[in-house]
Amino acid sequence: KQEVTQIPAALSVPEGENLVLNCSFTDSAIYNLQWFRQDPGKGLTSLLLIQSSQREQTSGRLNASLDKSSGRSTLYIAASQPGDSATYLCAVRSGGGSEKLVFGKGTKLTVNP
Amino acid sequence: NAGVTQTPKFRILKIGQSMTLQCTQDMNHNYMYWYRQDPGMGLKLIYYSVGAGITDKGEVPNGYNVSRSTTEDFPLRLELAAPSQTSVYFCASSYSNSPAYEQYFGPGTRLTVT
Repeated sequence: KQEVTQIPAALSVPEGENLVLNCSFTDSAIYNLQWFRQDPGKGLTSLLLIQSSQREQTSGRLNASLDKSSGRSTLYIAASQPGDSATYLCAVRSGGGSEKLVFGKGTKLTVNP
Repeated sequence: NAGVTQTPKFRILKIGQSMTLQCTQDMNHNYMYWYRQDPGMGLKLIYYSVGAGITDKGEVPNGYNVSRSTTEDFPLRLELAAPSQTSVYFCASSYSNSPAYEQYFGPGTRLTVT
């Protein structure tokens, strides 16, 4: 059974700092991995999706990497801003034609002005 | 293009009552999903559908029912509500012909059962 873990559970940083959020998964036979952002009381917004054949994806100040063999992904946020404050969720879609996403519990990020 | 919409946004139910959470998508996605999110937890899959007339159980289906009569709509039915069903419910959709199967989420329904 696929399990997804996100460390740390919460992170507080000063504005301008570069930071890394971690995601690990137990079964390396994945189809893709998706990073989401969730603002309080809101739905999920997809940030980046990495296919199993890819090593990384970039969007603006965000960079997500994937190491399937070690069961890890990282989300790198450059030059953090207070507007980046949110909960970041990692989700894995397993291979073998599964349609299901397995989510981690998320990392709550606070960027202080 | 509204994406995925959910109604209602908030609801309070008494124990034993029933209700239907509505979900509609206008992106012509064939896959649709229902998740629940408890405080401090990730999302857990309740039910999903790969097309009209086809549904299947996810990780936590007990106490819920779904139907998929059209491509656009995927309602979630709660029968005999229990306090354990207090949660935030998210509907999502994706397109199987897209290589990524990227899922798009609605804004959620916050349900309290007292």
